[in-house]
Amino acid sequence: DVKVTQSSRYLVKRTGEKVFLECVQDMDHENMFWYRQDPGLGLRLIYFSYDVKMKEKGDIPEGYSVSREKKERFSLILESASTNQTSMYLCASSLWTSGNNEQFFGPGTRLTVL
Amino acid sequence: RKEVEQDPGPFNVPEGATVAFNCTYSNSASQSFFWYRQDCRKEPKLLMSVYSSGNEDGRFTAQLNRASQYISLLIRDSKLSDSATYLCVVSRSGGGNKLTFGTGTQLKVEL
Repeated sequence: DVKVTQSSRYLVKRTGEKVFLECVQDMDHENMFWYRQDPGLGLRLIYFSYDVKMKEKGDIPEGYSVSREKKERFSLILESASTNQTSMYLCASSLWTSGNNEQFFGPGTRLTVL
Repeated sequence: RKEVEQDPGPFNVPEGATVAFNCTYSNSASQSFFWYRQDCRKEPKLLMSVYSSGNEDGRFTAQLNRASQYISLLIRDSKLSDSATYLCVVSRSGGGNKLTFGTGTQLKVEL
C-alpha cells in the first residue's frame, strides 16, 4: 500500500514564525504536491515537484516555498506565517506516467496561526 | 467561473435510495476525470476514474459527457457508510499529472 505521511496532524504557530511541514512517501513516486483545503474553496494547489530539486508553482504559491532534496520527501515552508495561512494542508504523491493520475494523500496537517 | 463546479449539497437520502451528483468543468482540454471520496476529517481517496463510455464499480456508476463538459456519479442502494463528500476531479493540461478538484458534494445517508 502507498503510504504518505505528514510530520504533524495539528500545529499551532504564531504570526511571523517560520513553519516547516514535512511529507514523506514510500512508493518511489516522482510527483509530489502540496495543497491547502479551506471550506467552500476546496483543494488548491500550492506547489508541485516532479523530481528531486525540481519545483513548480501551483495556483497559490505566495507566502510559501518548498524543498525536495530527496525523492521521498517534500517540504512546505511558510517563511513568515500569517493568520490567513490557517488551513488544512494536504500532501500528495503520484507516479510520473501519462494516464495515471491517481494521487495518494497524506492525513493532513491542520495549521492554526495565531 | 470555477474550473470545476459542483452542487455542495448536502444531499440527505434514506438508506437504499439512489442518488446522483453532477459536476461541470470548464477546460475542454482535460483528458482524465475522477471521483474522489473524502470522509469527515480524512484525506481524499480515489473512488473511481470516469471514462467516456461510462463505467461501473458495484453500486457506483460514472458517466462523462465531453460535449457538454459534465461528469456524473450515480450511487444505487445507498448505505450509511456512503456518507462522505464526493469530489469531482479533472486533469489539467500541461502534464505533470496535476489535478483540479471541485469543492465537493456532501452526501448524508440516513436510517
